[in-house]
Amino acid sequence: QQQVKQSPQSLIVQKGGISIINCAYENTAFDYFPWYQQFPGKGPALLIAIRPDVSEKKEGRFTISFNKSAKQFSLHIMDSQPGDSATYFCAASFTGTASKLTFGTGTRLQVTL
Amino acid sequence: EAGVAQSPRYKIIEKRQSVAFWCNPISGHATLYWYQQILGQGPKLLIQFQNNGVVDDSQLPKDRFSAERLKGVDSTLKIQPAKLEDSAVYLCASRTVANTIYFGEGSWLTVV
Repeated sequence: QQQVKQSPQSLIVQKGGISIINCAYENTAFDYFPWYQQFPGKGPALLIAIRPDVSEKKEGRFTISFNKSAKQFSLHIMDSQPGDSATYFCAASFTGTASKLTFGTGTRLQVTL
Repeated sequence: EAGVAQSPRYKIIEKRQSVAFWCNPISGHATLYWYQQILGQGPKLLIQFQNNGVVDDSQLPKDRFSAERLKGVDSTLKIQPAKLEDSAVYLCASRTVANTIYFGEGSWLTVV
């Protein structure tokens, strides 16, 4: 059972444009929603995360928008740069000792010049 | 602060052989995870430890995979015998008390 659905699978954006990646979850017990960035040959690195008590969180050029009623959240990358080219994974978890991340399928972002 | 350390980084073995991966989590992190990431997919949880106890191993193929964290710090993941479909990146991660999970660089396994 896939509990976190991510789209699109791949995305090409011009330098300076806005990259938008969407995720939807099923389990209403989830209360922590991080985004990870993964470069080839590297492990996933935490980019930004949000909890459902806020609808938006911004860190630099990266913004998470969260819609609790729709059970959806998205990552917006403003002023996309070639260095942002990577695979992005959304994830979800719940707090507690048994907390573990359930990942989306990933979005491969390419930012062109 | 040092990150999650994993070794070896790369391993090529023949099917039916065995392999072991080692992980040293961030100091003080009680929770440790092993994830399997097949090329083009998101990481999938294999096993979760809290100190030296297993919290969740429901997705671990126990007929061939085993993992331990004897002293509540380092952990090893073993595969015996390996199958072609075990070719993947094995990611170790550890968690802060604030629920932030950090990953290592991964151990890349190719089974031929």
